[in-house]
Amino acid sequence: EPEVTQTPSHQVTQMGQEVILRCVPISNHLYFYWYRQILGQKVEFLVSFYNNEISEKSEIFDDQFSVERPDGSNFTLKIRSTKLEDSAMYFCASSAGKSNQPQHFGDGTRLSIL
Amino acid sequence: GQQVMQIPQYQHVQEGEDFTTYCNSSTTLSNIQWYKQRPGGHPVFLIQLVKSGEVKKQKRLTFQFGEAKKNSSLHITATQTTDVGTYFCAGMGSGNTGKLIFGQGTTLQVKP
Repeated sequence: EPEVTQTPSHQVTQMGQEVILRCVPISNHLYFYWYRQILGQKVEFLVSFYNNEISEKSEIFDDQFSVERPDGSNFTLKIRSTKLEDSAMYFCASSAGKSNQPQHFGDGTRLSIL
Repeated sequence: GQQVMQIPQYQHVQEGEDFTTYCNSSTTLSNIQWYKQRPGGHPVFLIQLVKSGEVKKQKRLTFQFGEAKKNSSLHITATQTTDVGTYFCAGMGSGNTGKLIFGQGTTLQVKP
C-alpha cells in the first residue's frame, strides 16, 4: 500500500537555526498538508497546499514557516529561525481530494530545538 | 475559531468491556474523520462520516455522525488489548481547503 514518507525521523537543531523537513506524498495525491503535535497534545493544522500554492494556513504558520514543492515528488516545510517552542512532531499528510477524502499521514519528524 | 472538543481524555477498561468517545464541534462540519494513533506512531485513518445522522460499522467499531453534523461518537464493543491507543476525531469545516481540526483525543488503556 502506498505510504507518505518523511525524512529525517529525528532532527536536533540549535535555536535560531534553519530546518527543512521533507516529505514524499503518495504519488497520485494532489493535496498536501503539514500538521504538528507537541508531546502529549492534540494534532494541530499548520498548512494545506494545492496546485503549488497555499490553500489555508493557521495562526501557528507565521512568516518563519514556508512550504515548497520543489519537484514532482517532494513537499518540504522550512522553519527559518527555530525557537524552543517549535519542538514537536511534524506530520506530513496527503489526500486525493480536499473535502471528502481521507488524509494519509507519514510517520513524522521529531524536531528537537536546543 | 472552530473548535472540536473530545471526551473523555482517558479511559481505562477491562478487556471485554465497551468503550465510547465523544466529539463536539463549535460549528457545523462538512465531514468528520476518525484516526487512531498508537504510542510513538502517526495518526492512522479509520473512517470518514459525511451525511447527517450517518452510522458506519467496522467490525467491533461503530461510528455515528449527529443529525446537526456537529457531534460524533466512536463506540468499541468488547474491547481487546489491540484496541489500545489514542482515538482522535477530526472535523472538516466548510472552507473546502482540507483543513482538519483535531479533537484532543481519547487515550484508551485495556487491562487484560
